[in-house]
Amino acid sequence: SQQGEEDPQALSIQEGENATMNCSYKTSINNLQWYRQNSGRGLVHLILIRSNEREKHSGRLRVTLDTSKKSSSLLITASRAADTASYFCATDLNSGGSNYKLTFGKGTLLTVNP
Amino acid sequence: NAGVTQTPKFRVLKTGQSMTLLCAQDMNHEYMYWYRQDPGMGLRLIHYSVGEGTTAKGEVPDGYNVSRLKKQNFLLGLESAAPSQTSVYFCASSYLQRNSPLHFGNGTRLTVT
Repeated sequence: SQQGEEDPQALSIQEGENATMNCSYKTSINNLQWYRQNSGRGLVHLILIRSNEREKHSGRLRVTLDTSKKSSSLLITASRAADTASYFCATDLNSGGSNYKLTFGKGTLLTVNP
Repeated sequence: NAGVTQTPKFRVLKTGQSMTLLCAQDMNHEYMYWYRQDPGMGLRLIHYSVGEGTTAKGEVPDGYNVSRLKKQNFLLGLESAAPSQTSVYFCASSYLQRNSPLHFGNGTRLTVT
């Protein structure tokens, strides 16, 4: 079953507005990462937030992590048409040992209308 | 730096045919991964490697084999392709195993008829 689930599945906004996407997960994690995917391209890493961090910023991106609720949010401020893409959260499970696996959600498709 | 390069970009196979997808990275990363992406399923890990000469199974390994003979290359093989293997395949690499971002290639779109 999917570890991380993004919400909403799709989001359509006007240029200049803020976009918020959420990710929920089921088990404890080492870190949570957000990726972006433009149509027909590979995923590009945006932000990594560790389990002991609550908030991180990178340019117009703000990520929060609430481990008590097992959820994270990605906020894109002052959106631009070029932000149109799919956004994925990925969780690094706190499974111990060397059985590493980064598990991706199904993504949120963000459309920013000019 | 080219980053992560996947070849080919597109391929159409008939059921039962075999092929190898090549992934090459020039970042001297130890860790490499193969994912498949299907509509509505997100990305699922097929196999991964923690170093030259090592491979391990991921979430959906059946029907695939991999090899990591050189640190910079990670090959994904389909011995007998099935329509269920129609997908977009992504290779990724990372510097560390944990707390390290993945660097992705641009994918190989495979159709099995």
